[in-house]
Amino acid sequence: ELKVEQNPLFLSMQEGKNYTIYCNYSTTSDRLYWYRQDPGKSLESLFVLLSNGAVKQEGRLMASLDTKARLSTLHITAAVHDLSATYFCAEIPNNAGNMLTFGGGTRLMVKP
Amino acid sequence: KAGVTQTPRYLIKTRGQQVTLSCSPISGHRSVSWYQQTPGQGLQFLFEYFSETQRNKGNFPGRFSGRQFSNSRSEMNVSTLELGDSALYLCASSGGLHLGGEQYFGPGTRLTVT
Repeated sequence: ELKVEQNPLFLSMQEGKNYTIYCNYSTTSDRLYWYRQDPGKSLESLFVLLSNGAVKQEGRLMASLDTKARLSTLHITAAVHDLSATYFCAEIPNNAGNMLTFGGGTRLMVKP
Repeated sequence: KAGVTQTPRYLIKTRGQQVTLSCSPISGHRSVSWYQQTPGQGLQFLFEYFSETQRNKGNFPGRFSGRQFSNSRSEMNVSTLELGDSALYLCASSGGLHLGGEQYFGPGTRLTVT
């Protein structure tokens, strides 16, 4: 069974702090995605990680992929209130077309 | 470049009715996938169409069906609606790995079944 697990499910943090969201997946995959969702909105693409060791950064967010450990991380540096949202990781197993399997999401609240 | 569009954005139906949702992918993208998002089950894959053929199917009953047209636009249909079908339905458009493998989501259709 395909399984993608994120932790933590809920994260409350102060502005200026750093934290990491973890995403473990169960199948052989070299395509890992991170999305952001604001309340009542659709999914906004953050990162696409396509190979082992891939690291991408955009502003205060940095994502990495370790396909051997089946682990991706989303690191938040010096959080600001505007980063408050729900973050999802999703993977596409090998030979699965574009079928995304999503984690349960991490709801991030950054307090000013 | 226009993004993914979905119509309608909001829909209210009663149990037993059927509904058709539409998704227009980004120009040039041949893959369209559909997802259901609910508070209890999260984001779940419904099906994927590529060049008018269903390439993958999720674990949903046969009441959920879809199709893709030659211009890559896709529709999904839900027949005999149940209260549990109330959800945000999202479609995603992809141009393939040669274009970076991005999956772009539309704004969604929020379906309420009463």
